[in-house]
Amino acid sequence: GENVEQHPSTLSVQEGDSAVIKCTYSDSASNYFPWYKQELGKGPQLIIDIRSNVGEKKDQRIAVTLNKTAKHFSLHITETQPEDSAVYFCAASIGGSASKIIFGSGTRLSIRP
Amino acid sequence: NAGVTQTPKFQVLKTGQSMTLQCAQDMNHNSMYWYRQDPGMGLRLIYYSASEGTTDKGEVPNGYNVSRLNKREFSLRLESAAPSQTSVYFCASRGGLAYTYEQYFGPGTRLTVT
Repeated sequence: GENVEQHPSTLSVQEGDSAVIKCTYSDSASNYFPWYKQELGKGPQLIIDIRSNVGEKKDQRIAVTLNKTAKHFSLHITETQPEDSAVYFCAASIGGSASKIIFGSGTRLSIRP
Repeated sequence: NAGVTQTPKFQVLKTGQSMTLQCAQDMNHNSMYWYRQDPGMGLRLIYYSASEGTTDKGEVPNGYNVSRLNKREFSLRLESAAPSQTSVYFCASRGGLAYTYEQYFGPGTRLTVT
């Protein structure tokens, strides 16, 4: 079955700097790659996603890149702010909107003032 | 729209007791999911339901059963709770008329088994 690995498990960056979180997936048939942000005591919330027919997607300070050949995808946050501090999860899915989604183990991002 | 709702928010059980976690969504989504999240770990899929009337095992189904009662509701049952089932449980849904891929999560149920 699908397996998703995520690195690093913790990340601390200076406010204003960039943060990068990387994930790899095992099943080459995966075609949907969402990223979630989880704040303390809340459920995960989608922040950006990418499908396998696209190599890069941006939304303001957030971007995701996908390398299908290497089965890697990454989250890039630029100009980090204190409110970016949270746990971030990558995930991968095969098939359409009815299929299961498998999550990485998470990255705890801390923004230093 | 309330989105995805879960009850209860907190629960303490003794080993061997049973309980059902309830989940409902009002977004007309076809698919629903149950995950567990242990401290410092990611979300692991317990069971999911691709559509009303179907259920499938996820990564960690042992010790759980599910029921897709109708399109809105998907319940998770622990028949004989064990301390290893202490966790935060999240319900999620996705896939509506717009064929959206986005998965929406509920607020979670924090379960402690003593």
